[in-house]
Amino acid sequence: AQKVTQAQTEISVVEKEDVTLDCVYETRDTTYYLFWYKQPPSGELVFLIRRNSFDEQNEISGRYSWNFQKSTSSFNFTITASQVVDSAVYFCALSGGGAAGNKLTFGGGTRVLVKP
Amino acid sequence: DGGITQSPKYLFRKEGQNVTLSCEQNLNHDAMYWYRQDPGQGLRLIYYSQIVNDFQKGDIAEGYSVSREKKESFPLTVTSAQKNPTAFYLCASSPRGGLPYEQYFGPGTRLTVT
Repeated sequence: AQKVTQAQTEISVVEKEDVTLDCVYETRDTTYYLFWYKQPPSGELVFLIRRNSFDEQNEISGRYSWNFQKSTSSFNFTITASQVVDSAVYFCALSGGGAAGNKLTFGGGTRVLVKP
Repeated sequence: DGGITQSPKYLFRKEGQNVTLSCEQNLNHDAMYWYRQDPGQGLRLIYYSQIVNDFQKGDIAEGYSVSREKKESFPLTVTSAQKNPTAFYLCASSPRGGLPYEQYFGPGTRLTVT
């Protein structure tokens, strides 16, 4: 069975601080895919990134960066120089692909509150 | 604009009544999904469909039913058998293929049953 754990339920920071969200996953699949989604107060989930299990390169997109470490089954997400608009709930998700198709297993989410 | 629409945004029902939540997409995606989100929790998969006229149960299908008669539409019925129906329901779609594509989500329907 697949499992995604986001141990931090809520993080509060002051604007311009960096914030790192932890994600630890469990899977028996050798090929799998990891995702991060953002859920702003409006409720609609917004896709941020997809990473496959064979690509361990870290990725940076603007103020966002992701650190994938297969050895520790972690896929952490960092927001640099946080802004008030970053306030949202962030979800990490896992897909095994193959016959399971696009079935996603979500973590419990981390609420980020950025104060001005 | 291409996207997913869910209506209504807020829905109120009395206990014992069935209710159907609408989900429509114009992204030409083959696969569609229904998730349930409870306060402070992650999303749990109710049902998914990878192609028209076919659907599979997700992790929490009991008390729910779906149909997929058209590619664009994937309505979810919350039946009276669902013991705790009050929740936020999200519909999503994605292309169907060999790789897991990202899923595109609708704005959600918040269902309250009293």
